Amino acid sequence: ETGVTQTPRHLVMGMTNKKSLKCEQHLGHNAMYWYKQSAKKPLELMFVYSLEERVENNSVPSRFSPECPNSSHLFLHLHTLQPEDSALYLCASSQDTEPGELFFGEGSRLTVL
Amino acid sequence: GQNIDQPTEMTATEGAIVQINCTYQTSGFNGLFWYQQHAGEAPTFLSYNVLDGLEEKGRFSSFLSRSKGYSYLLLKELQMKDSASYLCAVRDSNYQLIWGAGTKLIIKP
Repeated sequence: ETGVTQTPRHLVMGMTNKKSLKCEQHLGHNAMYWYKQSAKKPLELMFVYSLEERVENNSVPSRFSPECPNSSHLFLHLHTLQPEDSALYLCASSQDTEPGELFFGEGSRLTVL
Repeated sequence: GQNIDQPTEMTATEGAIVQINCTYQTSGFNGLFWYQQHAGEAPTFLSYNVLDGLEEKGRFSSFLSRSKGYSYLLLKELQMKDSASYLCAVRDSNYQLIWGAGTKLIIKP
């Protein structure tokens, strides 16, 4: 139990579907992150939020849309995805955006058919 | 560009010692992290090095040489539960984390 909870753990969707990933942290942290993890590749930072404001967007396609309604919750809205978007999507939090230790959720395994 | 290199996979025997190396080329350096990730689970923090030398934490130790752009994670008295992926990450001059692709460690009885 890392204090960061992600739902759903597994998601299968077609290319025309719309779905959302949810992340909640119970650690009182100020920064939250979305990472993409593909097999045998480094973690790819997608989005960073600090105190509910987006501070970084690493050239992520617009079919991924983040939302941070408060400092404890983070969403990743998905629409018209491609099969190459199939991956493990990890949410993480840290005390601030100059990260020391990151606390990760267990991830949402996404399969795009 | 920025790059972190670590072996893709390693195999070791229960009770033995294994060293996982990480070399990096980054724009500046503000610390190096090691994380452990069991299959299907969240990565969890293992260690942090910002100064040269060895940091010991129980069966795990992490070493850093900034002049060589090199770190290693040393695992002693290996247990089956140590089978996992080990991720090396460097914080660059902009405090961005640059990640390696991870080393999958397989422990055999």
